[in-house]
Amino acid sequence: SAVISQKPSRDICQRGTSLTIQCQVDSQVTMMFWYRQQPGQSLTLIATANQGSEATYESGFVIDKFPISRPNLTFSTLTVSNMSPEDSSIYLCSVGGGAGGTTRNEQFFGPGTRLTVL
Amino acid sequence: SQQGEEDPQALSIQEGENATMNCSYKTSINNLQWYRQNSGRGLVHLILIRSNEREKHSGRLRVTLDTSKKSSSLLITASRAADTASYFCATVLNSNSGYALNFGKGTSLLVTP
Repeated sequence: SAVISQKPSRDICQRGTSLTIQCQVDSQVTMMFWYRQQPGQSLTLIATANQGSEATYESGFVIDKFPISRPNLTFSTLTVSNMSPEDSSIYLCSVGGGAGGTTRNEQFFGPGTRLTVL
Repeated sequence: SQQGEEDPQALSIQEGENATMNCSYKTSINNLQWYRQNSGRGLVHLILIRSNEREKHSGRLRVTLDTSKKSSSLLITASRAADTASYFCATVLNSNSGYALNFGKGTSLLVTP
């Protein structure tokens, strides 16, 4: 299994500003994932972040809006840029895919970052 | 796009009763997973059922899978107030995403004492 922490746990931000969310894992993992959960909705994959390469973004998400860093095998950041109220969501990171002691299919999630944009 | 579709969207029962949630999906799968989310926090993996399995048990959880109907159900027996949470089914998005998950819309379960 893997234990994941996220910072901050929640934040209230003004529109037009940016917020960087940190995700720390207690073991080395190749793949990390970032999801968005809009209010009352399910989770949607933003991007897959591999160490040493550019993140792979899903349709509807772009690097300029959600830049991701993956400097090592235990850490990643997601930045929500130029925020608007529509970005108010819970942002979650997860690990899995069979690396770092995780099973190939099961994923472990961080506690999430609850973002409110005014 | 969301592959899994759960129903009901919301379910309210009393402690001791059983709760059944259903999930449908669209494409072929290797496995289907169920996750629980408490109060908008992180998700917890509950159970995984492979495509060649029809039923699986884990404690008070029972999962069924019907690949011909592309559907799965999650049964929680003898529910407790602590089971109050949102429940999501999930399938692997595609191999290009490194086994990221595609989640259904979820069922919000309320168990009252």
